[in-house]
Formats: sequence, C-alpha cells, structure tokens
Amino acid sequence: GQQVMQIPQYQHVQEGEDFTTYCNSSTTLSNIQWYKQRPGGHPVFLIQLVKSGEVKKQKRLTFQFGEAKKNSSLHITATQTTDVGTYFCAGPGSQGNLIFGKGTKLSVKP
Amino acid sequence: KAGVTQTPRYLIKTRGQQVTLSCSPISGHRSVSWYQQTPGQGLQFLFEYFSETQRNKGNFPGRFSGRQFSNSRSEMNVSTLELGDSALYLCASSFWESDSPLHFGNGTRLTVT
Repeated sequence: GQQVMQIPQYQHVQEGEDFTTYCNSSTTLSNIQWYKQRPGGHPVFLIQLVKSGEVKKQKRLTFQFGEAKKNSSLHITATQTTDVGTYFCAGPGSQGNLIFGKGTKLSVKP
Repeated sequence: KAGVTQTPRYLIKTRGQQVTLSCSPISGHRSVSWYQQTPGQGLQFLFEYFSETQRNKGNFPGRFSGRQFSNSRSEMNVSTLELGDSALYLCASSFWESDSPLHFGNGTRLTVT
C-alpha cells in the first residue's frame, strides 16, 4: 500500500545547529503537509506545499517539495530549544485520508 | 474561535469493556477524522466523517466504529477492548475533506489494563 517514510527517526542537535528531516512517498502526491507535535501535545499544522519544486519559508523553517512531488524536506536553521518536538509529513492517500510519516523526533541540547 | 475539543482527556478501562470518545470540531468544520497514535505505529487513520457520512475508513477491525451528528460532533466507539488498544486517540477537523489541513484536538489517552 501507499507509504510515507521519514528519516531520520531521531535527531539530537546542539542548540544553534541546523536540522533537516526528509520525507519520501511511494506515490506522487498532490500536496504534502507538515505538522509539529510538542512533547505531550497534539500535532499542529505547519504548512502545505502544492507545487512541484515549491519552497516556502517560515522564519527559520524552510520547506521544500520535490520536483517529482514524491519527496519533501524540512530544514531548521540555528535550532532553538523551542524547536523540540516531533515533525511529521503527511500526504493524501488513495482513500482520501491523510497518510502520516512516522515522524522525526528532534531534541535540542542547550 | 474555539479549537477541537475531545473528551475525556484520560480513560482507564479493563480488557473486554467498551469505550466511547467524543469530539467537537471547530465551528464550521464539517469533516472529522480520527487517528490512533502509538509509539510503535505512529499516526494511523481510523475513519473520516463528512456531513454525517463515513467517507473513508482505515484498516482497523470492526470493533472500532464511529458516527457523526448533524452538528458535526463525532464519537468513536471501541468495543471488546484489548491491551493493544492502549493509545492516544486524536480527533481532527477540517473545513472540507481530504486535502484540507487538519486541526487536531488534545486527544484522549486510553489505557487498557
């Protein structure tokens, strides 16, 4: 079946270092969404990418959608302790639901 | 605007019992989706309701069911609970179905003993 995979599963960084998580889909996606879940919290929508090759920025966060619309990445510049959490990518499934990757858990050492 | 509200926040049940979880979506949102979140499996889709109709269903056994009311509020029910049903159950609402971004509630933490 359709799969959305994310790597790495965990990432430990020193505050100030950069961080990147990668998302790959087994099928071409009409769009991809990114969510952040803080420890003990619930997923919160960050952004949606729709166009091939699209790049969007939110302050220190840069999101990219691949040319083939099968992969995406989230890059955080100069991480802060407030960036701690699990980052999920999600794409539409064939049944109309959103399929989530298993997420990348980011920890930041001050 | 109030967010997605899920009740209760925590539940402890015994194997074999049944449980009902409730979700009130954001006002104006007609689509409600339910997800099960566990450390090993991540976020797994249960089902989605739109205008009181189940639009999509994930690969969960028939013990998992849901419904949506005319005011878009939704409930999910799990019967004959098993230990493996222990998880965080998340409800999410959106204005339209499928591609719209999801707004999640705080979830219901279910523990089955």
